[in-house]
Amino acid sequence: SAVISQKPSRDICQRGTSLTIQCQVDSQVTMMFWYRQQPGQSLTLIATANQGSEATYESGFVIDKFPISRPNLTFSTLTVSNMSPEDSSIYLCSVLVPRYEQYFGPGTRLTVT
Amino acid sequence: KNEVEQSPQNLTAQEGEFITINCSYSVGISALHWLQQHPGGGIVSLFMLSSGKKKHGRLIATINIQEKHSSLHITASHPRDSAVYICADNNSGGSNYKLTFGKGTLLTVNP
Repeated sequence: SAVISQKPSRDICQRGTSLTIQCQVDSQVTMMFWYRQQPGQSLTLIATANQGSEATYESGFVIDKFPISRPNLTFSTLTVSNMSPEDSSIYLCSVLVPRYEQYFGPGTRLTVT
Repeated sequence: KNEVEQSPQNLTAQEGEFITINCSYSVGISALHWLQQHPGGGIVSLFMLSSGKKKHGRLIATINIQEKHSSLHITASHPRDSAVYICADNNSGGSNYKLTFGKGTLLTVNP
C-alpha cells in the first residue's frame, strides 16, 4: 500500500494567478499521476509524472498550463497556471504500486474567482 | 473506446438496508477498481479485482468477466457509508495502468 498526502487541501485563488499543489508519498513509487475532477464530472487524467524527465500529458492538457515536476520517487508537484474559473476542480495525485493497484491522495479543492 | 457505465446514479437507503451498485464496461480489462469518494474530495481505494469476488468487512465486490459487469454490495448499510462510489477499469488507450472512470453513484444512507 501507499499513503499519500497533498498540500494544500483547498484554496481559493484569483483569476490569472498560479497555484502549485504538492504530492508526497510515504514510499518510493515508479508511476505517479495527476487527475482533475471538475464539478459533477468523473476523474480525468492530466498527466503521468515521470521521475527525472518531462511529464507525459494526456490529450487536451499542455505543459504550459499544467507544469509538473517529479524530482524524486516520493514527491511531485502540479502547477495550475494563469487560472480561470474553469480550472475550479478537485486535483488528485495517485500512485501505482505493483499489480496495478492505485492509491489516491486526499485531493486539493481549488476554487478560482 | 472504453466506456464505464454505473447505475444507479443516485441511491438513497435506510440504515440497515442491503445496497447494490452496478458497473458495466465495454472492452476487455486487466482489473476493475471500486473507489469511495468522501464529500471532501479524497478518494479511497476499496477493491481491485480481475475475477471472482472480494470481501472486506461489510463490502463485497464481484466481477463477471464474460458479461463485462461488476457489482459492489454493502451489507447492513450505515450513514457513514454515505459517499460517492466510483468504478474504474484498467486498459484504456492501450496502456493498462491508465484508468477509465465511471461517473459515480451518490449513496445516501439515512438513519
